[in-house]
Amino acid sequence: DAGVTQSPTHLIKTRGQHVTLRCSPISGHKSVSWYQQVLGQGPQFIFQYYEKEERGRGNFPDRFSARQFPNYSSELNVNALLLGDSALYLCASSLVGQGLAGGAQFFGPGTRLTVL
Amino acid sequence: ELKVEQNPLFLSMQEGKNYTIYCNYSTTSDRLYWYRQDPGKSLESLFVLLSNGAVKQEGRLMASLDTKARLSTLHITAAVHDLSATYFCAVDSSYSNYQLIWGAGTKLIIKP
Repeated sequence: DAGVTQSPTHLIKTRGQHVTLRCSPISGHKSVSWYQQVLGQGPQFIFQYYEKEERGRGNFPDRFSARQFPNYSSELNVNALLLGDSALYLCASSLVGQGLAGGAQFFGPGTRLTVL
Repeated sequence: ELKVEQNPLFLSMQEGKNYTIYCNYSTTSDRLYWYRQDPGKSLESLFVLLSNGAVKQEGRLMASLDTKARLSTLHITAAVHDLSATYFCAVDSSYSNYQLIWGAGTKLIIKP
């Protein structure tokens, strides 16, 4: 059974550009969360989607947006990239949304974004 | 505001030794999680602890939760080199709108 998949694996962009990251959750999982992990730090919560609705948003600027599709896959979009956006972007899926009985989130391999 | 603190942040130890990583959190939590991350890799779920006194064990790792002290521990028994990784604890609660709040991580190096 496939785990959480993310694409692309690595990405290099320049300042001011736009990027779209993609995530497919584990089959049967309806919730997808996005995290940013800067080197040497713990993950920072960006968004959570459950049943195609935004259920949570972290402290990130409006340049960050996301959506969830009917098949529960998700996209994270970042506009007007800054050098500080360079990080590992992790997608996690769970059976239900945070706050509900659902146990742990399962993480994908991540997308390493480098902004030059 | 829900805050999570781990200590130590860095730990170097010899194979065969025992050690404990501590995770403190500042407000009432619903669930506490432990994850492992290898360099350049994603996060692997180790344990989910739900209630006071919960104890879970997997191989040489054992996690426990004391909700009254707002403390979780991850105990490593007779460490082996393969356990070298960074270990994160994370907590969610109504105080964080159920967002996962993460500790800074403990980088564990086990020397053969």
